[in-house]
Amino acid sequence: GQSLEQPSEVTAVEGAIVQINCTYQTSGFYGLSWYQQHDGGAPTFLSYNGLDGLEETGRFSSFLSRSDSYGYLLLQELQMKDSASYFCAVNSNQGGKLIFGQGTELSVKP
Amino acid sequence: DVKVTQSSRYLVKRTGEKVFLECVQDMDHENMFWYRQDPGLGLRLIYFSYDVKMKEKGDIPEGYSVSREKKERFSLILESASTNQTSMYLCASSFVGQRSNYGYTFGSGTRLTVV
Repeated sequence: GQSLEQPSEVTAVEGAIVQINCTYQTSGFYGLSWYQQHDGGAPTFLSYNGLDGLEETGRFSSFLSRSDSYGYLLLQELQMKDSASYFCAVNSNQGGKLIFGQGTELSVKP
Repeated sequence: DVKVTQSSRYLVKRTGEKVFLECVQDMDHENMFWYRQDPGLGLRLIYFSYDVKMKEKGDIPEGYSVSREKKERFSLILESASTNQTSMYLCASSFVGQRSNYGYTFGSGTRLTVV
């Protein structure tokens, strides 16, 4: 079968750093993506890793290790507006079909 | 800005009704997708389409069908709505192939309640 595992909830304080892990087991793999979804809103694309290593986009970074079937999203200098659900997703083929994890709800406290 | 527009934000339908959910994108994306989102279950793929008149089943296609007569429009059809189809439905689009790495663009969702 195909599965992605990520923690269901994470809590952190403003200004801190938080890491959301994702492990996957899929029949095909071309890359790992991350999406953010605020309550009641649409998911929005954050990042994509096709190769091993770290990709940085402002306060957010994403990491991939293909040999370990593992990736993470790193959020630095947390702000209240970062409170949202974060989904990892595997690009399972070159066509662009995504398989999503169940999501991690991040709560940022003052 | 890329836009994916879903025709309704909220819908209430009766059991047994035929329901149409419409989605339109304006970015000339080849791929279009329908997901449903339920608490604790994440986003589950119902159907997707790589091109006009082409469709592929996702993970949970039972009770649904789709139509893609034009590149910009992808419709989800609930043949006979049931209460277990009460959910948030999300449409998304993307480029195909390497350009799909730029990510999906999602619509705002349709919250469907079947009574």
